[in-house]
Amino acid sequence: AQRVTQPEKLLSVFKGAPVELKCNYSYSGSPELFWYVQYSRQRLQLLLRHISRESIKGFTADLNKGETSFHLKKPFAQEEDSAMYYCALLTGNQFYFGTGTSLTVIP
Amino acid sequence: GAVVSQHPSRVICKSGTSVKIECRSLDFQATTMFWYRQFPKQSLMLMATSNEGSKATYEQGVEKDKFLINHASLTLSTLTVTSAHPEDSSFYICSAVQGAGGTEAFFGQGTRLTVV
Repeated sequence: AQRVTQPEKLLSVFKGAPVELKCNYSYSGSPELFWYVQYSRQRLQLLLRHISRESIKGFTADLNKGETSFHLKKPFAQEEDSAMYYCALLTGNQFYFGTGTSLTVIP
Repeated sequence: GAVVSQHPSRVICKSGTSVKIECRSLDFQATTMFWYRQFPKQSLMLMATSNEGSKATYEQGVEKDKFLINHASLTLSTLTVTSAHPEDSSFYICSAVQGAGGTEAFFGQGTRLTVV
């Protein structure tokens, strides 16, 4: 069963425009959710996690348990934000990743 | 941040041979390591969860006799693809969680396996 769903494989926005990368999850327990980012030719790295409620590189994500969503948002996209973004769910001690969204920020 | 090193980064092998991929946590102890497979233009697929000193937990559909995982120490896990076939060609990525109960995964740089 798909535990993490990212409906958009590709997303293009213009520089300075708002961006939202969608993530929905399926888990009956108390979820721990993360966003990971992979810049071109670099390894995956943690962008943010819901428990810390922090903003990294201008990105935020709010856990909505009612909608089982953890969408990633940024009010003004920058060219350096172009990357592959993965939403991840931690259940017990296993991570499950969504299919990823490739974000392209157009100059 | 913590560093996970994966070796080799790229390997080409002949069909029928076995290939071993190493995943090391360089500056922390990893009780749990994960092995993922990434097909072109697709998501990371969790293959198995490896806990130090115990048998790996494989995801449904992953052949444990084909993908042998050993997590003999707190800093090293290995994935051996046995009797490799061209369809095993893929990008394999490991990740490690720091300490027991850690919640942030650190990733290796991945291994590109090509079976010819």
